[in-house]
Amino acid sequence: KAGVTQTPRYLIKTRGQQVTLSCSPISGHRSVSWYQQTPGQGLQFLFEYFSETQRNKGNFPGRFSGRQFSNSRSEMNVSTLELGDSALYLCASSLEEGGREYFGPGTRLTVL
Amino acid sequence: DAKTTQPPSMDCAEGRAANLPCNHSTISGNEYVYWYRQIHSQGPQYIIHGLKNNETNEMASLIITEDRKSSTLILPHATLRDTAVYYCIVRSQGGSEKLVFGKGTKLTVNP
Repeated sequence: KAGVTQTPRYLIKTRGQQVTLSCSPISGHRSVSWYQQTPGQGLQFLFEYFSETQRNKGNFPGRFSGRQFSNSRSEMNVSTLELGDSALYLCASSLEEGGREYFGPGTRLTVL
Repeated sequence: DAKTTQPPSMDCAEGRAANLPCNHSTISGNEYVYWYRQIHSQGPQYIIHGLKNNETNEMASLIITEDRKSSTLILPHATLRDTAVYYCIVRSQGGSEKLVFGKGTKLTVNP
């Protein structure tokens, strides 16, 4: 069974732009979570989606948003990029809400 | 905030057992102990989890104290590929509780 896939793997943007990251969960998994990892703050939870509904949200500004499609694939969007948004963005999927999470390889976003 | 305390770093000789401690003194009755690891710049990898009984799988063993206030992850025969940051996390199973990662323990396996 294929693992969690994330695209793109690397991305370079400039301040003020917006970006969309994509995540395809493991087949059959219905829950997708997003995390941000930076050297200063470590791994921080962004949001979780289950059956196309946002179930939980971390403490991030409204510039960070996401959605989940009927096939469980998920996207996250960051608008008006700031230098501090440079990070590794990780997606994780689980079979059910609150279940064991399987992480993808991440998308490395650099904001210049 | 993370509910666990781990040493920031540990060293282990290749082929020896690596014992990684974790303190979770405020754990509640319905919370599990999860262990993940992250090899440099990759996504975290699930290792093992348990509630109160000791658990073993092909990767590691998890020993939870009787009062459940601490646990130890054991890698029985550490290899160089086990060098990673190891995270101990407590969370309840089911529902929408997110994983809260602390700073973890950087384990370095030396040849």
